[in-house]
Amino acid sequence: QSVLTQPPSVSGAAGQRVTISCTGSRSNIGAGYDVHWYQQVPGTAPKLLIYGNSARPSGVPDRFSGSKSGTSASLAITGLQAEDEADYYCQSYDSNLSGGVFGGGTKLTVL
Amino acid sequence: EVQLVQSGAEVKKPGESLRISCQGSGYSFTGYWIGWVRQMPGKGLEWMGIIDPSDSETRYSPSFQGQVTMSIDQSISTAYLQWDSLKASDTAMYHCARLGTASRHHLDFWGQGTLVTVSS
Repeated sequence: QSVLTQPPSVSGAAGQRVTISCTGSRSNIGAGYDVHWYQQVPGTAPKLLIYGNSARPSGVPDRFSGSKSGTSASLAITGLQAEDEADYYCQSYDSNLSGGVFGGGTKLTVL
Repeated sequence: EVQLVQSGAEVKKPGESLRISCQGSGYSFTGYWIGWVRQMPGKGLEWMGIIDPSDSETRYSPSFQGQVTMSIDQSISTAYLQWDSLKASDTAMYHCARLGTASRHHLDFWGQGTLVTVSS
């Protein structure tokens, strides 16, 4: 049972928009701690996609965007491409655990 | 170019000890904390803990406290993750990553991962 809750899977047709939710609690996202998102293509290392709720590292396309409200956060991907098929993880800091915490991950399928 | 290069895959027996490594380059190694993340076969990412290369201060996740030891060798810009007595349940991919400074506790650069297999 992960501290942050994500849907196990989402899917969308190429060119469409999908969102992935990440729900936390008052000890992590709700406490004001930032949310970060990672993309992991099977067989490879995770890659930072969004940090600080909505900032994109250099090289990440603006098709990827992040937002946060209350105890939840969301990752939106527009103009879906086949190469976006991967696992996506949210991550934040938890004051009860005094450390980082991940969501369980969401598998994105591009139809 | 920031790089984290991890040691190769390991196959060990239960009860054996192991130390895996993560060498940083392309940045000031002592200027950024290093984090370790476990990924069990077919499962998600788990935060193990972090270590400060400047003074070896460690912060373990409660689930991993007492189960592993993190350490640093500044002279070769390398972080280590160590087990004294491996269990079959330690079988996993272990990732090291650098903690970025722009926001709290995000991991901005990752190593390629080290696969640890523990089997009798």
